Amino acid sequence: SQKIEQNSEALNIQEGKTATLTCNYTNYSPAYLQWYRQDPGRGPVFLLLIRENEKEKRKERLKVTFDTTLKQSLFHITASQPADSATYLCALSYTGGFKTIFGAGTRLFVKA
Amino acid sequence: EAQVTQNPRYLITVTGKKLTVTCSQNMNHEYMSWYRQDPGLGLRQIYYSMNVEVTDKGDVPEGYKVSRKEKRNFPLILESPSPNQTSLYFCASAKADNTGANVLTFGAGSRLTVL
Repeated sequence: SQKIEQNSEALNIQEGKTATLTCNYTNYSPAYLQWYRQDPGRGPVFLLLIRENEKEKRKERLKVTFDTTLKQSLFHITASQPADSATYLCALSYTGGFKTIFGAGTRLFVKA
Repeated sequence: EAQVTQNPRYLITVTGKKLTVTCSQNMNHEYMSWYRQDPGLGLRQIYYSMNVEVTDKGDVPEGYKVSRKEKRNFPLILESPSPNQTSLYFCASAKADNTGANVLTFGAGSRLTVL
């Protein structure tokens, strides 16, 4: 069955630096891949979606890449701020979109 | 405001006492889904529904039931809760874009403890 691996260790970075989070998956490539942000005690919130035929997507300070050969997505936050501290979830969806599989998430701490 | 509303937000119950967690969305979304979130395991899909009267199992459906009689509501039923169903539950809804991609809108979560 499909497995998704995200950095299990928390990521600590200094304010102003670029945070890079990794999402690796096994088996077959998804039709599209999404990144969500989750704050403690709250539901995940959608950030970005990238399709299998796209290499890169950007939204303000966020950038996502998708490499189907490496079976990997990278999520970048440039000029990071303490307010970016949260858990970031990677999610894979297949054609039809009825099944979305989530990774366990990476906890990001941005220090002022 | 567009949202997914879950109730109750917190519940402590005892083994075997039937309970229902309600979920309602006001965005006219066709797709709805239930997830449970446990430490180190991430979000795991319990059941999903593509539309009214259409439901299907996710990855961890054992011990749960759902129904979709109306488009806006998708209740999660635990007929006989057990301690291993202690978890944080999320309901989500989505409307597919023209390429079939579902972007999920989540509720605030329901923390359930079964003693």
